[in-house]
Amino acid sequence: AQSVAQPEDQVNVAEGNPLTVKCTYSVSGNPYLFWYVQYPNRGLQFLLKYITGDNLVKGSYGFEAEFNKSQTSFHLKKPSALVSDSALYFCAVSTGSARQLTFGSGTQLTVLP
Amino acid sequence: EAGVTQFPSHSVIEKGQTVTLRCDPISGHDNLYWYRRVMGKEIKFLLHFVKESKQDESGMPNNRFLAERTGGTYSTLKVQPAELEDSGVYFCASSQDSWSGETQYFGPGTRLLVL
Repeated sequence: AQSVAQPEDQVNVAEGNPLTVKCTYSVSGNPYLFWYVQYPNRGLQFLLKYITGDNLVKGSYGFEAEFNKSQTSFHLKKPSALVSDSALYFCAVSTGSARQLTFGSGTQLTVLP
Repeated sequence: EAGVTQFPSHSVIEKGQTVTLRCDPISGHDNLYWYRRVMGKEIKFLLHFVKESKQDESGMPNNRFLAERTGGTYSTLKVQPAELEDSGVYFCASSQDSWSGETQYFGPGTRLLVL
């Protein structure tokens, strides 16, 4: 069975500071990893994904994530946070035989002005 | 290009009643998924359609839930009769291909409250 852990329910960061939202996963086989963001009263919006190749993946709005196979992690990062980045972030995984996404419980990011 | 749309955006019903949720995927997307987030927990998979066929319905919680996708276009998810624990946000997603690395595009969700 596959699973995703987002160890922090809440992350607070000051505007302009770097941010990290953590994600670890467990799968059998090679993982496909995704980050989605949910703004208030909106649906899930795709940010980025890792399939294969370069471990550093760049996505929308200046976000990036680093795939670390040995640590089974896929942390989301941004060099300089904006107040508008405040939202709920979900990490998800799928693998070869399972088309569906398995999500973490979500991390609420608050960027303080 | 229009994204995934869902109707209604909110629904409040009493226990024992029936509710039908609708999802319109992105045009041309053969794959349609239903997920739900209950009580602020993880978003959990319910089922996956490829065109009009159910590819995987392993996440459906019980036989009170019925999903259909007649004609391979829009899909409906009916809950009958609704129970208190069915409250949550129901998301629909679609994708063009069905391999595991394909990006799924999500709708805004339907917020269901069962009283």
